[in-house]
Amino acid sequence: NFMLTQPHSVSESPGKTVTISCTGSSGSIASNYVQWYQQRPGSAPTTVIYEDNQRPSGVPDRFSGSIDSSSNSASLTISGLKTEDEADYYCQSYDSSNQRVFGGGTKLTVL
Amino acid sequence: EVQLVESGGGLVQPGGSLRLSCAASGFTFSSYWMSWVRQAPGKGLEWVANIKQDGSEKYYVDSVKGRFTISRDNAKNSLYLQMNSLRAEDTAVYYCARGDWWFDPWGQGTLVTVSS
Repeated sequence: NFMLTQPHSVSESPGKTVTISCTGSSGSIASNYVQWYQQRPGSAPTTVIYEDNQRPSGVPDRFSGSIDSSSNSASLTISGLKTEDEADYYCQSYDSSNQRVFGGGTKLTVL
Repeated sequence: EVQLVESGGGLVQPGGSLRLSCAASGFTFSSYWMSWVRQAPGKGLEWVANIKQDGSEKYYVDSVKGRFTISRDNAKNSLYLQMNSLRAEDTAVYYCARGDWWFDPWGQGTLVTVSS
């Protein structure tokens, strides 16, 4: 079964840049779109990146997404970190057997 | 404004059944795939099932196949999840979400607790 692996947690200081990785277990992660969701405590997830690198309206351009085929991974980069960015972040994609898959989530601490 | 509102969660005994509903508004419901995603307490997100616009295609995560049934009523702008033979590991917040391979937006979720 296709799986996505994320680091359990990352931390960085306000104003800095952080990158969260999402590695595919098999096949090519570049074959299907990757999405990234932000989830604050007690709230439903919201999209920060869709279709690998697209930002929904209202999401600041401090958020960016990319794909690295050589490492079979996707990345979410947040620059100019703010305390309000502190949340859980999930990557998500799908496979050829119509299964939709989430990564395990990464807790971002802005300290 | 696009809005999804889930209902129907609650406490149920192992082996019991529950039917979740999701009321959609603010968009043409019949034009979109719809999905259910769940989150166990303190855990990550897990896709559960999705359904095509006309209900002709439905897909499930392996752990719920044969026990859960996703359905929709386009006339009522509503999505459903019939959950049978519930297990303790089905305890989670269940979210309704618009979309098939990209979930956006999400409802606020409804909590299902399976316990004796």
